[in-house]
Amino acid sequence: GEDVEQSLFLSVREGDSSVINCTYTDSSSTYLYWYKQEPGAGLQLLTYIFSNMDMKQDQRLTVLLNKKDKHLSLRIADTQTGDSAIYFCAESILGGATNKLIFGTGTLLAVQP
Amino acid sequence: NAGVMQNPRHLVRRRGQEARLRCSPMKGHSHVYWYRQLPEEGLKFMVYLQKENIIDESGMPKERFSAEFPKEGPSILRIQQVVRGDSAAYFCASSRSRRSDEKLFFGSGTQLSVL
Repeated sequence: GEDVEQSLFLSVREGDSSVINCTYTDSSSTYLYWYKQEPGAGLQLLTYIFSNMDMKQDQRLTVLLNKKDKHLSLRIADTQTGDSAIYFCAESILGGATNKLIFGTGTLLAVQP
Repeated sequence: NAGVMQNPRHLVRRRGQEARLRCSPMKGHSHVYWYRQLPEEGLKFMVYLQKENIIDESGMPKERFSAEFPKEGPSILRIQQVVRGDSAAYFCASSRSRRSDEKLFFGSGTQLSVL
C-alpha cells in the first residue's frame, strides 16, 4: 500500500542543522519530493530526488535517499528563523494515467532564535 | 508568470449549501490536480483532470463532489450539500504533462469552513 510517514515536530536553534526524516512504503516510487508550507500559504517545492540517486545537494539543502530502507531525509544547514514551516515529503507514483503524489503528514520545524 | 491561482482563499458555508472552488493553472499547464488537507493531516489526492477530461477521480468521495476543467476558464471543484466534515484546505496543483519527472506547482489553497 501507499503510506508516507514523518515525525510531527522538530525544534532547532538558529544556526544549527535540521534533519527531517521520512519513510515510505511504495518501492515503485519514481521521484521523491520535499515541499515547504508556510502558515496560510500553499506548498512550495524545495527539492526532489530521482529514486535511483543516493544524494542530492542544493545550496543549504541536502537530500539523502536510502532506497533499501525506503528512508528519505532532508538536511537544512545553518537553519534560519525563516525556515520555520511545515515540511512535507511526497513520493510520486506513476500508475495508470496519473502522476500522483502521496504526501506524508508533515513535520513542523520550529527554529528558535 | 503568475503561479497557480485559487479563489476564494477562504470560503464559509452552512451545512447543506454548495461550495465552488476555482483553480487557474499556471500558463502553459493543461494538467490540474486537486488535493484535500484535513486538519493536522497531509494532502490527499482527490482528482486529476486534463482539459475537458477527468483522468483519475479515485480520491474523490463518491457522492456530493464533482470536478471539471472546461476548455475555457478555470477548473472547478464543486461540493454539494456540504457537511462539517468537508471543512478542510483544498489545494490545486498544475503541471505541463503527466511525465514522472514533471513537477507539480501548487496554489495557496482554499480554506473551506462549514458551520
